[in-house]
Amino acid sequence: DTEVTQTPKHLVMGMTNKKSLKCEQHMGHRAMYWYKQKAKKPPELMFVYSYEKLSINESVPSRFSPECPNSSLLNLHLHALQPEDSALYLCASSQDRHDSYNEQFFGPGTRLTVL
Amino acid sequence: GIQVEQSPPDLILQEGANSTLRCNFSDSVNNLQWFHQNPWGQLINLFYIPSGTKQNGRLSATTVATERYSLLYISSSQTTDSGVYFCAVGKYNNNDMRFGAGTRLTVKP
Repeated sequence: DTEVTQTPKHLVMGMTNKKSLKCEQHMGHRAMYWYKQKAKKPPELMFVYSYEKLSINESVPSRFSPECPNSSLLNLHLHALQPEDSALYLCASSQDRHDSYNEQFFGPGTRLTVL
Repeated sequence: GIQVEQSPPDLILQEGANSTLRCNFSDSVNNLQWFHQNPWGQLINLFYIPSGTKQNGRLSATTVATERYSLLYISSSQTTDSGVYFCAVGKYNNNDMRFGAGTRLTVKP
């Protein structure tokens, strides 16, 4: 099973709303990732969790707050977003091996629109 | 950080044609993946290929790590091959994977 699931598929929110994106994997992977992808651009790394600890934060604004409750789950809490935050948000996971094979697998994404 | 360049940026083919997509990277890497992003945004894993050659059906890939490039070959293209192809690279000592800008492929019937 190489599946990463994400909910919701689509989300529309106002600038004063609080919402959360969810990601789940059952491959036993110990690294989980959030990426942001704007239209016609490549995915850009936002956060990495390694063994449930935040290991990379690519200078993301504090209105995005990641959380890793356990090794299978990853959340992204959203608050006071701006219209320019509208994008496809992708979750990924990998084995987090630092000596060899470390293939990343992606979920289908959440398409976020901020009004 | 590692710079990743993909070429060509856009490619239009007739169904049945063959194509080669290229990925150049600026530093030695330990991880290299090719993805196909479909129109719904799903990133589909094509190859994990930090070095060597692999084949999967009509697709094959070659990475020459010492010369810092990778090639993706698509033979007998089909309309369902349309989409964006991304190359992404990284190093062993961290999980920071960098994507190229992608090649947008359109296959016409």
